[in-house]
This record gives sequence, C-alpha cells and structure tokens, in this order.
Amino acid sequence: SQQGEEDPQALSIQEGENATMNCSYKTSINNLQWYRQNSGRGLVHLILIRSNEREKHSGRLRVTLDTSKKSSSLLITASRAADTASYFCATVDSSYKLIFGSGTRLLVRP
Amino acid sequence: DTAVSQTPKYLVTQMGNDKSIKCEQNLGHDTMYWYKQDSKKFLKIMFSYNNKELIINETVPNRFSPKSPDKAHLNLHINSLELGDSAVYFCASSRTEAMNTEAFFGQGTRLTVV
Repeated sequence: SQQGEEDPQALSIQEGENATMNCSYKTSINNLQWYRQNSGRGLVHLILIRSNEREKHSGRLRVTLDTSKKSSSLLITASRAADTASYFCATVDSSYKLIFGSGTRLLVRP
Repeated sequence: DTAVSQTPKYLVTQMGNDKSIKCEQNLGHDTMYWYKQDSKKFLKIMFSYNNKELIINETVPNRFSPKSPDKAHLNLHINSLELGDSAVYFCASSRTEAMNTEAFFGQGTRLTVV
C-alpha cells in the first residue's frame, strides 16, 4: 500500500524559479527520505530526515518535516533544466519498510 | 563502478514463460530489496533480504520467488508470466535492515509480457 501522497502530481516551472513539493503520510515514522528518478532510470537518494529533525539542507535542497501534521516538503531553489525528474518521498516506519509516495513530476523549462 | 547492477535492462517475453532477473551490489550492504514500479509510477516493495534471510514478503503471488545465494546477490525468478506482470522491477540495497540510511537502486529491468 502507498504510505505517502504527494502534491502536486505534476509541476511545471521556469528555470531559476523555486519548486516546492509536499508529501503527506499516514503512520508514525523513523525517518523520511526523498528520491529523484530521471526518466527511464533508477532512483537516486537526495536527503534523509529523521523523525526528531525539523529541517535539513543539502545544496539547493531544503527538506522540512512536521510529524504532528505527518507531512514533509522538498524545496529546490534556483531550479535548473537538469532538475527535471520525478521526485518521491519515502517513509520508514517501525517495520523498517521503505514505502514510497505517489511522486511529483517536475518539469523545469529552460 | 556500478553500485547496484541488474540484468537484463529490458526483457520481452510471452505469457506463460519463466524468467529471471539478476541483481548484484558491490557496496557490502547487508540488505537487498525488490520493488515493482507500475505504469503509473507507483513503487511497491515486494521482498527484502537481510544477510540472505527473507525479512519482508509483501502480498506477492507465489509465482515470484526471490533467491539470495549470498548477501551481495538477490535474484528474482518469475514463473508463468502474466500480462499484469509487465512493469519495471528495481533492485535496491541498504547498509542495514533498519533503513536508517539511504537505499541505492539499480537502473531497473523493464519487463514486458506479450
């Protein structure tokens, strides 16, 4: 079953703009991870945020986690055409399963 | 060096056939997984092995049988293939079963059953 729902399902922005994707989940988690998938490729890990953390940065990426609302957001600043991909959140609960959300398709127009 | 490699990348086969997908990781990880991604891009976990032991077995038809000869390899054998098995299958690995670090994914095997 899907743990997370992502919003929006698709996002189209101009190069240089910021992109924000949201993820909601249902059960208590140990950590939440974000992955990127380029078309026809495997998933690449972007960032992991633990349940006791509220915000994490990695380069142009900023992830927030609100465990009271069971939600997370991924912000990509100053987007580039190369950021065009699908982005997935994934949660790890007490059963240690990595369960993926439905994904957001991001298109960055040059 | 490829961290998680799967073969083949593409597999086209007829209904009723039996096929295998192989996966190898050179990261020294203890845990390996198989995921299925359907046409709507939903990713579902199928199996997980930790040090050659099965630890996660989702509700997958028993036509699917994973085999882990050692902790660096996790192969997926599928019997009596059906049209609905068409999907992209991803192998992944992580350092431990606790999933408190990132998972590394292979490039996927696109299976088409005709």
